[in-house]
Amino acid sequence: AQSVSQHNHHVILSEAASLELGCNYSYGGTVNLFWYVQYPGQHLQLLLKYFSGDPLVKGIKGFEAEFIKSKFSFNLRKPSVQWSDTAEYFCAVTSDSGTYKYIFGTGTRLKVLA
Amino acid sequence: DGGITQSPKYLFRKEGQNVTLSCEQNLNHDAMYWYRQDPGQGLRLIYYSQIVNDFQKGDIAEGYSVSREKKESFPLTVTSAQKNPTAFYLCASSIQGTTNEKLFFGSGTQLSVL
Repeated sequence: AQSVSQHNHHVILSEAASLELGCNYSYGGTVNLFWYVQYPGQHLQLLLKYFSGDPLVKGIKGFEAEFIKSKFSFNLRKPSVQWSDTAEYFCAVTSDSGTYKYIFGTGTRLKVLA
Repeated sequence: DGGITQSPKYLFRKEGQNVTLSCEQNLNHDAMYWYRQDPGQGLRLIYYSQIVNDFQKGDIAEGYSVSREKKESFPLTVTSAQKNPTAFYLCASSIQGTTNEKLFFGSGTQLSVL
């Protein structure tokens, strides 16, 4: 069965610090990968996604993620975080099996100190 | 505005009672999903539907039931068999099969047991 692991459950950073959140998945076939973000009091929204092509994808608000197939990873990065990045971040995966079944990780709560 | 509407925002269930959470979308999406969000456990898939009159169990379907009689609507019933129903429930929908694929989420329903 597919699964997604996010190893960092809580992260606290100061403004301007660099961010990297880990995401690993288990599935042997072709996958589509996503990062979603949930700001306090807001709906979950898409941050970025990878379907194919360049493994380094850029999303909104200066976020990027790199797909490393050999490591089954899709880590999220941002060079310099802001207080407004305080949110919960979820990694998700769907497979090429045609079921369009989204599996999410357990989430990472990021707190950025001003 | 197009989007997903979940109601009610807060719901209380008595012991032995079935309750139904509403989810309506006007995005003309084929696929709809129900997730349960618990602190530290991320989003876990309850049921999903790729087309009208068809739906599939997710990872934690026990104690829940759904129907998909209309494209726009995907109600979730939390039955008395669900022994730990207190959670935040999220409905989502998506376009499928294109690079525009992503999940659109509702604002959620918080279910509590009296």
